[in-house]
Amino acid sequence: DIQMTQSPASLSASLEEIVTITCQASQDIGNWLAWYQQKPGKSPQLLIYGATSLADGVPSRFSGSRSGTQYSLKISRLQVEDIGIYYCLQAYSAPLTFGSGTKLEIK
Amino acid sequence: EVKLQQSGDELVRPGASVKMSCKASGYTFTDYAMHWVKQSPGQGLEWIGTIIPLIDTTSYNQKFKGKATLTADKSSNTAYMELSRLTSEDSAVYYCARDDQRYFDYWGQGVMVTVSS
Repeated sequence: DIQMTQSPASLSASLEEIVTITCQASQDIGNWLAWYQQKPGKSPQLLIYGATSLADGVPSRFSGSRSGTQYSLKISRLQVEDIGIYYCLQAYSAPLTFGSGTKLEIK
Repeated sequence: EVKLQQSGDELVRPGASVKMSCKASGYTFTDYAMHWVKQSPGQGLEWIGTIIPLIDTTSYNQKFKGKATLTADKSSNTAYMELSRLTSEDSAVYYCARDDQRYFDYWGQGVMVTVSS
């Protein structure tokens, strides 16, 4: 199975700050990587797919990037509504696997 | 508007089975596969498996083979997941999620399953 090592596990940042979350894949997954946001008590929502493509309706302050087998999600100017838990998902091969999550809070 | 409406929360006895539903609307049900995902209390997300309603083909995470059974009813645009021989380890929230080019683009609201005597 492909392991997705996500960091940090938790993050506290100030409003308008730049936030970066990373996922390291245990093997090559190409661009088969998505990012999800889960707000408290809600279902996960797709933010980024194909490592860098913004999902419909997602604010442009969210962006994804790739460097080899390391993937990053960047929030350019943190807003209050961005609090929640963020997960990466590798969709390269079954079993599909998620990162362990990053809990994002406002400082 | 795409919507996945899941059935209600369940309280079940250890050793029993539970079957939950996921009714799709706002798109052609047979054009997309459906995934199921487990979220244990305070834990992350695990992919259970996928069903392609058009051809009734399933793919399972090895971890959930023998535990989960995925089916779909094209006439009612509904996907189902049955969990068998339940233990406390199966207490979790279970989501259905539509597949779009392998990604999960729309999710149901989740079904909380509590296994307790």
